[in-house]
Amino acid sequence: ILNVEQSPQSLHVQEGDSTNFTCSFPSSNFYALHWYRWETAKSPEALFVMTLNGDEKKKGRISATLNTKEGYSYLYIKGSQPEDSATYLCAFNNAGNMLTFGGGTRLMVKP
Amino acid sequence: DAGVTQSPTHLIKTRGQHVTLRCSPISGHKSVSWYQQVLGQGPQFIFQYYEKEERGRGNFPDRFSARQFPNYSSELNVNALLLGDSALYLCASSYSGSFGEKLFFGSGTQLSVL
Repeated sequence: ILNVEQSPQSLHVQEGDSTNFTCSFPSSNFYALHWYRWETAKSPEALFVMTLNGDEKKKGRISATLNTKEGYSYLYIKGSQPEDSATYLCAFNNAGNMLTFGGGTRLMVKP
Repeated sequence: DAGVTQSPTHLIKTRGQHVTLRCSPISGHKSVSWYQQVLGQGPQFIFQYYEKEERGRGNFPDRFSARQFPNYSSELNVNALLLGDSALYLCASSYSGSFGEKLFFGSGTQLSVL
């Protein structure tokens, strides 16, 4: 069983704050790391898929980095807005036939 | 363009019953995967299908089965329901089923087993 850990489990920030959270995964047999945003009452939405060590991806105010050798990825949100409130999920694949999700980080941005 | 659609949105069953959940992928996507999400946890992989063949199976009992049809839609079947099967069941589609691709999720079916 693969262990994918996300921290923190939940986070409260003020509008305008920048924040980041972590996804830890096994460092062997890496194939891909996914990030999804899941807003309440909606479907999970893909943010990034990263496959190379050192990958950095950016989408607006959200960016992610990847370190496959040490088994972690960071997700950064610059200048958080209330609409960023959601659960952020990471998911890991080791070239096997499944995607293993972490437990998610629940972000709440207060206006 | 229609996204991934799942039906029904909500379902209430009693222990021992059987349930069928349905999923239609995004047009052009050939792979469908199913996930179970229990409150407070991340989604857990159940099955992946590509071109009507099972490509992967998670750690779920044989009471769980699935299939994919020629039009790439899919059904998830659960027999002999247990209270612990109460969860949100998510379907996701992708073009080739490679895990280097993003998954596109439906809104899920909320199953309650009483």
